[in-house]
Amino acid sequence: EDKVVQSPLSLVVHEGDTVTLNCSYEVTNFRSLLWYKQEKKAPTFLFMLTSSGIEKKSGRLSSILDKKELFSILNITATQTGDSAVYLCAVQLNYGGSQGNLIFGKGTKLSVKP
Amino acid sequence: GAVVSQHPSRVICKSGTSVKIECRSLDFQATTMFWYRQFPKKSLMLMATSNEGSKATYEQGVEKDKFLINHASLTLSTLTVTSAHPEDSSFYICSARRTSADTQYFGPGTRLTVL
Repeated sequence: EDKVVQSPLSLVVHEGDTVTLNCSYEVTNFRSLLWYKQEKKAPTFLFMLTSSGIEKKSGRLSSILDKKELFSILNITATQTGDSAVYLCAVQLNYGGSQGNLIFGKGTKLSVKP
Repeated sequence: GAVVSQHPSRVICKSGTSVKIECRSLDFQATTMFWYRQFPKKSLMLMATSNEGSKATYEQGVEKDKFLINHASLTLSTLTVTSAHPEDSSFYICSARRTSADTQYFGPGTRLTVL
């Protein structure tokens, strides 16, 4: 059974801290791994990772994928209260060379205290 | 726990036909379910929010007569794409939530291809 597991499920930090969110997966036909930030309405897309070892960066956020160990991490440096959200990891499967189903993790709820 | 399933996982239909997609919360009661559409650049667009037993709330720009949503029970919501056209081809993803304080649990998505 395909599954995506995120840890921790929730995390409370103070502004300025650095956090690392984890996502491990076991799927039959991996295509890509996606990170989203969900605050109110629709999750906001952050990163898509398809290759191992290549870090993707956007401001204070960065992410990397390890396809051998089947996990990804999302790092947030110098956290701000605006980073408080649920961070979702999802693995998109491969289906006949095109996009297959999305398997979501349960999310990590990050709370950043002032 | 907190598993959400969708059926079918993929569907191909002819232009002009209607397609129904089911979203089920398998081991919990979902007072609220959400329907999203994934776009090619991976962004998710919220289409509508449905609360059990009441009419769905549609986001601006989403045609409620085209995307019919029914949330008849605490474990089932359906999205019917009526008179589907090729531009409706997409991934449709649902999520479910127990209470307003709870996180959303996402289904695996349904890939709709309209020929």
